[in-house]
Amino acid sequence: AQSVAQPEDQVNVAEGNPLTVKCTYSVSGNPYLFWYVQYPNRGLQFLLKYITGDNLVKGSYGFEAEFNKSQTSFHLKKPSALVSDSALYFCAVQARAGKSTFGDGTTLTVKP
Amino acid sequence: GAVVSQHPSWVICKSGTSVKIECRSLDFQATTMFWYRQFPKQSLMLMATSNEGSKATYEQGVEKDKFLINHASLTLSTLTVTSAHPEDSSFYICSALSGAPDTQYFGPGTRLTVL
Repeated sequence: AQSVAQPEDQVNVAEGNPLTVKCTYSVSGNPYLFWYVQYPNRGLQFLLKYITGDNLVKGSYGFEAEFNKSQTSFHLKKPSALVSDSALYFCAVQARAGKSTFGDGTTLTVKP
Repeated sequence: GAVVSQHPSWVICKSGTSVKIECRSLDFQATTMFWYRQFPKQSLMLMATSNEGSKATYEQGVEKDKFLINHASLTLSTLTVTSAHPEDSSFYICSALSGAPDTQYFGPGTRLTVL
């Protein structure tokens, strides 16, 4: 069985500051890891994914994530937060057949 | 990029009626689509996996006779909520697999309200 944990329900940062949204996972075998963002009353938008290769993955809108196998983590980061980054963020682990397990989500609020 | 649409974006219906939600992959073919349900401020709950040309695979606890799924073509899957009740009110989201390895691309969601 696979699982994902997002330990923080809410993350608050000031605009211009770096942000981190945490994610840890549990899966047998090599993980496929994803980050998605959801704006109110909208579907999920794909941000980035880790399949293999470089542990630092760069994605959309300046986001990046670092895969850490020893800590089973895949934290989402951005060097300088924007107010428009405020949204709900989901980490997910995906089985090879495409079936995904999502974390509970983290609400990111960036204040001006 | 891969685009997935859903129709309608919102629907209000009376208790006891049936509602059909369409999920289309607009610029790619998807042999596999997923249907999720999301409650306010909660994560996505996978309801079923829709495979083109075969029966859908439902997650434990999801009534297949209540949530009918038809994957009629490589670009269209439909979810029909039969005899809807107020507790079926929710945000329904579909996704379609594309690429190798597969990435899920999500539709914008359908807000269902059952009165």
